[in-house]
Amino acid sequence: GAVVSQHPSRVICKSGTSVKIECRSLDFQATTMFWYRQFPKQSLMLMATSNEGSKATYEQGVEKDKFLINHASLTLSTLTVTSAHPEDSSFYICSASRTFENQPQHFGDGTRLSIL
Amino acid sequence: AQSVSQHNHHVILSEAASLELGCNYSYGGTVNLFWYVQYPGQHLQLLLKYFSGDPLVKGIKGFEAEFIKSKFSFNLRKPSVQWSDTAEYFCAVTFFNAGNNRKLIWGLGTSLAVNP
Repeated sequence: GAVVSQHPSRVICKSGTSVKIECRSLDFQATTMFWYRQFPKQSLMLMATSNEGSKATYEQGVEKDKFLINHASLTLSTLTVTSAHPEDSSFYICSASRTFENQPQHFGDGTRLSIL
Repeated sequence: AQSVSQHNHHVILSEAASLELGCNYSYGGTVNLFWYVQYPGQHLQLLLKYFSGDPLVKGIKGFEAEFIKSKFSFNLRKPSVQWSDTAEYFCAVTFFNAGNNRKLIWGLGTSLAVNP
């Protein structure tokens, strides 16, 4: 089946640091990648949708300057949390899809981000 | 606002019991429907999906779900659960809005524990 690799799985860093999370589709070309955030005991919240070679579409309330998304190739998307603060601590999950409309998404294992 | 509700937050069953997890959504337009499962320590995996056609959908591992449009429901069922079905189950719905804009919304999940 389709495999999505997300790295790193866990990050602990100081406030003010920028953190980059990578999402790779290992055995298929992902035209669309999705970034989610999940707080404890809450549902997955879509942050943004990125299509290869174009700017990401951010959901309402998500700061695009805070959460930089790059989808430079069909197998890699990155999420950079800039100048991270403790309130950015969360579980971030990416997923990838060959096409948005009818192809179920394949998920990475997630990244646990802890800002001290 | 569009929403997805999973009414059972925690379910505890004995092996061989029958399972039904509820999923309701709040929209009368076109939808795509998904059930995902997350086994302990693993990433989200697709159980089954409904796009169109036969409203009774068969998935992996003996799961099925029935789309009842009049009730805005997509309940997940399995006639006889096993201990290995212990996991978190998520219902997700893609809502197709005006202009063919799509929004994927997740339920909060249902934690299923199956006692041997």
